[in-house]
Amino acid sequence: SQKIEQNSEALNIQEGKTATLTCNYTNYSPAYLQWYRQDPGRGPVFLLLIRENEKEKRKERLKVTFDTTLKQSLFHITASQPADSATYLCALGPTGGNTGKLIFGQGTTLQVKP
Amino acid sequence: GAGVSQTPSNKVTEKGKYVELRCDPISGHTALYWYRQSLGQGPEFLIYFQGTGAADDSGLPNDRFFAVRPEGSVSTLKIQRTERGDSAVYLCASSPVTGSNEQFFGPGTRLTVL
Repeated sequence: SQKIEQNSEALNIQEGKTATLTCNYTNYSPAYLQWYRQDPGRGPVFLLLIRENEKEKRKERLKVTFDTTLKQSLFHITASQPADSATYLCALGPTGGNTGKLIFGQGTTLQVKP
Repeated sequence: GAGVSQTPSNKVTEKGKYVELRCDPISGHTALYWYRQSLGQGPEFLIYFQGTGAADDSGLPNDRFFAVRPEGSVSTLKIQRTERGDSAVYLCASSPVTGSNEQFFGPGTRLTVL
């Protein structure tokens, strides 16, 4: 069955540095991959989507890469700020089509220290 | 405009009781999803509606769980004979039928089974 893994340990970085989070998956070929942010006591909030035929996507200080050969996505936050502290979730979309369930990783907690 | 809302925000029940959790999606969103999230884990898919019909219910853990969306808008997740293992945060999300399949999540209902 499909398996998706994110760094289980929390990531602690200094303000202004670049945070890099990893998402690896096996036994699956998603049509796209999404990243969400989740704050304590709240539902996830969509950040970025990258499709299987795209290598890289950017949005403001965020950058996502997608390597379908390695079955890996990297999520970067440049010039990180304490307000970026949250849990970040990677989610795989369905194999075909645009709509359908998401398969989430367990999330990586990011702590940005001033 | 209003986001996805879920009621109640917290529900405490006793083992063996029946509970109903309600989700009000964003107006006009035809796709609706239910997920369940345990502490320290990512959301786990339960069921997905396209309009009034369940397009994918493969995530429902057993026949104690059932969900409806009779008019293609509000959805209710029903759990019979609750067990302590059902304790989790139940998240609802909605999505427009076209577009990026960005899912808009509600704040969740925290269910505690004593």
